[in-house]
Amino acid sequence: DVKVTQSSRYLVKRTGEKVFLECVQDMDHENMFWYRQDPGLGLRLIYFSYDVKMKEKGDIPEGYSVSREKKERFSLILESASTNQTSMYLCASSRERYNEQFFGPGTRLTVL
Amino acid sequence: GENVEQHPSTLSVQEGDSAVIKCTYSDSASNYFPWYKQELGKGPQLIIDIRSNVGEKKDQRIAVTLNKTAKHFSLHITETQPEDSAVYFCAAAGGLTGGGNKLTFGTGTQLKVEL
Repeated sequence: DVKVTQSSRYLVKRTGEKVFLECVQDMDHENMFWYRQDPGLGLRLIYFSYDVKMKEKGDIPEGYSVSREKKERFSLILESASTNQTSMYLCASSRERYNEQFFGPGTRLTVL
Repeated sequence: GENVEQHPSTLSVQEGDSAVIKCTYSDSASNYFPWYKQELGKGPQLIIDIRSNVGEKKDQRIAVTLNKTAKHFSLHITETQPEDSAVYFCAAAGGLTGGGNKLTFGTGTQLKVEL
């Protein structure tokens, strides 16, 4: 059974802290994605990666960075967390670019 | 870049009735249109998708139609059941604007099936 796991379901951080969100997939997928989900705005793509050590900006990359050192792991980094980054963060992976994306359960991040 | 609009934002139907959710997209080169269902506390899950070389696709009680000329596609759920209650997202990909290799999602429809 395919699986995407995220390091935390809930996370509370202070403004200015450096935050790491980890995502691991066990399906040997090439492609991995980070989205944020906000009410009324749907899912918006932050960053994605088509290969190890490769990354591309999505629609809202400002304030975020990513790291993909291994095929199965894709990390989202908030260098200096701000209150407007309070959101639900979803990680996904897919085998091919135009194919089913498998999502993790999400991390609800609150920045105080 | 690609822009996907989704309507309605909320939809309430009686059990057994049909539900229709509509989406429009802006990039005429888009060629892949998936629909995702998100249950409470879970990540979205693909329920059906359609590519631009077909106009309709069915899977049991779920169907999707695509009108490339008008740049809109719709999700149809027949004989709705309480377990269909969830948030549904449409998406589009493959277009030329803003990078064709990523999904652009609609804003979601909260479907409630009432007994």
